[in-house]
Amino acid sequence: AAGVIQSPRHLIKEKRETATLKCYPIPRHDTVYWYQQGPGQDPQFLISFYEKMQSDKGSIPDRFSAQQFSDYHSELNMSSLELGDSALYFCASRLLFAGGGEQFFGPGTRLTVL
Amino acid sequence: EDQVTQSPEALRLQEGESSSLNCSYTVSGLRGLFWYRQDPGKGPEFLFTLYSAGEEKEKERLKATLTKKESFLHITAPKPEDSATYLCAEHTSGSRLTFGEGTQLTVNP
Repeated sequence: AAGVIQSPRHLIKEKRETATLKCYPIPRHDTVYWYQQGPGQDPQFLISFYEKMQSDKGSIPDRFSAQQFSDYHSELNMSSLELGDSALYFCASRLLFAGGGEQFFGPGTRLTVL
Repeated sequence: EDQVTQSPEALRLQEGESSSLNCSYTVSGLRGLFWYRQDPGKGPEFLFTLYSAGEEKEKERLKATLTKKESFLHITAPKPEDSATYLCAEHTSGSRLTFGEGTQLTVNP
């Protein structure tokens, strides 16, 4: 079965640079979530989109922005990167008004800020 | 404040030694309690969803149960390949998931 696709899988940036992370949800899924997971921590919700509209916002820094496109893929844009932004970034998708409410996670993008 | 607490933080078992992981949640009006498995450096893998007290779900050596305040993940006769971090999560505001800190399970051969 098709899964969530994330690219790139690994990204190394310098401080103050920008980064763009991409997420391709499971086909027919209409909702995308972004989570950040620091070393030894649990995933923390950043932001979500339903049908291309922002549906919920968590602890996402103002330096970050995201959007969902007409083909349902999503991009997380990160600017003025800081050392503390180094983490695993996961995208998850679901079909909002069907199924059991579970979210399916991608393999993640490991971002390292030097 | 909605909170998910898992215990123990870490658990070492011998192969075949059954045990249980605990997840306590505080949100009123539970809209779903989820269990995930996460291997190092990989995305969480969905295991179970539970909605109401008394509900039970099973998959291979794993069984998840739910009470009014807790959920348990029972592992029967575990194998080394069951070693992973097990995360519990619940729906809080919107449809976001709030995770517990996880239980790191190690099963020794």
